[in-house]
Amino acid sequence: EIVMTQSPATLSVSPGERATLSCRASQSVGSNLAWYQQKPGQAPRLLIYGASTRATGIPARFSGIGSGTEFTLTISSLQSGDFAVYYCQQYNNWPPLTFGGGTKVEIK
Amino acid sequence: QVQLVQSGAEVKKPGSSVKVSCKASGGTFSSYAISWVRQAPGQGLEWMGEFIPIFGTAKYAQKFQGRVNITADESTNTAYMELSSLRSEDTAVYYCAREFEGGGSYLDNWGQGTLVTVSS
Repeated sequence: EIVMTQSPATLSVSPGERATLSCRASQSVGSNLAWYQQKPGQAPRLLIYGASTRATGIPARFSGIGSGTEFTLTISSLQSGDFAVYYCQQYNNWPPLTFGGGTKVEIK
Repeated sequence: QVQLVQSGAEVKKPGSSVKVSCKASGGTFSSYAISWVRQAPGQGLEWMGEFIPIFGTAKYAQKFQGRVNITADESTNTAYMELSSLRSEDTAVYYCAREFEGGGSYLDNWGQGTLVTVSS
């Protein structure tokens, strides 16, 4: 089973600033990496797939990069609706599909 | 755009079973796999398994093998997740989600979630 590790666990950022979230895989997942956003009381929402492709309707301020074992999600200029928990997920080796533990982006 | 609508909240006794449904509308049900993901209170996301309608087969996370059964009824575009031998640690929100492809992919549409509470 591929273990996904996200860091940091919590990120405190001021509105308008950049946020950089990391995700590491225990073995190579190629580019088969997705990012999700989850707000309290809501289901997760797909942001990025294929490590760098934004899903339909996702603003350009969200960008993903990486391959192999190291991945980064960047939110270029945080808006109020971006404060949430973000999860990465690998789909290179399954079952199981595996998620990282999440990064909470909170208002500084 | 596919919409996934799940059944309502459940309260179950330890040792019993729960069956959660997930009805799809607005897409071709048989073309995509449906995954089930759960989230315990205050915790992260945990993949339980998937059903691939085009093959009529299910795959499960080892943790849930023998205790979970994921099925689908193509005539009603509905997927089901049944979890047995419930214990308090199974208290969680259970989500169904559509996989982009027929198994082992990212999850591009999610249901609203079903809270299952296991309590004596």
